[in-house]
Amino acid sequence: EDKVVQSPLSLVVHEGDTVTLNCSYEVTNFRSLLWYKQEKKAPTFLFMLTSSGIEKKSGRLSSILDKKELSSILNITATQTGDSAIYLCAVSNVYAGGTSYGKLTFGQGTILTVHP
Amino acid sequence: NAGVTQTPKFRILKIGQSMTLQCTQDMNHNYMYWYRQDPGMGLKLIYYSVGAGITDKGEVPNGYNVSRSTTEDFPLRLELAAPSQTSVYFCASSHQQVGLSNQPQHFGDGTRLSIL
Repeated sequence: EDKVVQSPLSLVVHEGDTVTLNCSYEVTNFRSLLWYKQEKKAPTFLFMLTSSGIEKKSGRLSSILDKKELSSILNITATQTGDSAIYLCAVSNVYAGGTSYGKLTFGQGTILTVHP
Repeated sequence: NAGVTQTPKFRILKIGQSMTLQCTQDMNHNYMYWYRQDPGMGLKLIYYSVGAGITDKGEVPNGYNVSRSTTEDFPLRLELAAPSQTSVYFCASSHQQVGLSNQPQHFGDGTRLSIL
């Protein structure tokens, strides 16, 4: 069974701190790893990573994939209260033997709370 | 541009009742998905569709049915509501297979469903 595990499950920091969120996975036929940010409603897409060691950056957020260790980290520097959210990691694999759709398996999420 | 629209936003059902969660998208996306999110958990795929007339089961399909008669609409039906189906339901769509390109899934705002 495909599995994605995130840690920590929750994290409380103060504005200006740097945080690192972890995601590890065990999936068959891995294709890509995605990070989402979920505030009050729907998840919004942050990054997709397919190649090991390549860093994706967007402002204060960055992420790296380690395919050897089957894991990824999401870094947020100089955190702000607006970064408070649930951060979801998901892994896509290639569905073997059927349609060409790639199934997405989500981790349970990390709840980040940033205090002023 | 409305994106992905889900209705209703909230609903309370009695055990054994049936209902349809509506989802429509105006981006001409071929791929559509239904997820459920339980408290403290990530999203689990219920059903997906790769185009009009084509649907397939995801991770947790039991107790649900879907249809895809048009590109725009992908309704999710609960035939005999059970307390275990209390959850937040998200519909999503994408232009390409999820996890294949940097084009993200677009999520609706969710339907919060309680079965009492």
